[in-house]
Amino acid sequence: KQEVTQIPAALSVPEGENLVLNCSFTDSAIYNLQWFRQDPGKGLTSLLLIQSSQREQTSGRLNASLDKSSGRSTLYIAASQPGDSATYLCAVREYGGSQGNLIFGKGTKLSVKP
Amino acid sequence: DVKVTQSSRYLVKRTGEKVFLECVQDMDHENMFWYRQDPGLGLRLIYFSYDVKMKEKGDIPEGYSVSREKKERFSLILESASTNQTSMYLCASSSLRREYTEAFFGQGTRLTVV
Repeated sequence: KQEVTQIPAALSVPEGENLVLNCSFTDSAIYNLQWFRQDPGKGLTSLLLIQSSQREQTSGRLNASLDKSSGRSTLYIAASQPGDSATYLCAVREYGGSQGNLIFGKGTKLSVKP
Repeated sequence: DVKVTQSSRYLVKRTGEKVFLECVQDMDHENMFWYRQDPGLGLRLIYFSYDVKMKEKGDIPEGYSVSREKKERFSLILESASTNQTSMYLCASSSLRREYTEAFFGQGTRLTVV
């Protein structure tokens, strides 16, 4: 059974720092991996989608990488800002099973201090 | 540009009530999902649907049912609400047509059962 793990569970950094969030998964048979952001009490906002054939995707200050063979993905945030404070979740969409279902990690809660 | 809309942000219901949570998407997606999110447990799949009138159980379907009479609408039904169903409920949709498709989430419904 696919398991997705995110480390660390919480992270606090000063404004301006570059940071990396980690996501690992146990089964490499995935269609894609998606990173989300969740603000307190809100739904999930999609940040980046990496297809299984891709190595990375970029959007603004965000860069996500994928290494399927090792079962790892990272989300790099450049020049962090207080507005980046949120919980970041990764999810994989795996072959077979529930059609298109996403398996989620439990998230990393990021706090960026001014 | 709202893509997935949940009918309520907050709901308070009494134990034993029948509760309806509604979700509408405007992207012509085949797949629709209902998750619940609880502290320490992450997101767990309740039910999903890949076509009108089709449904599949997720990881925690007990105490819930669903209805999909139209492609754009997916309803979650709590047959007899209980306090252990107090949670954040999240609806999502994605396309079945392509493998490399992004999932979109609604804003969430915070349900409290008293």
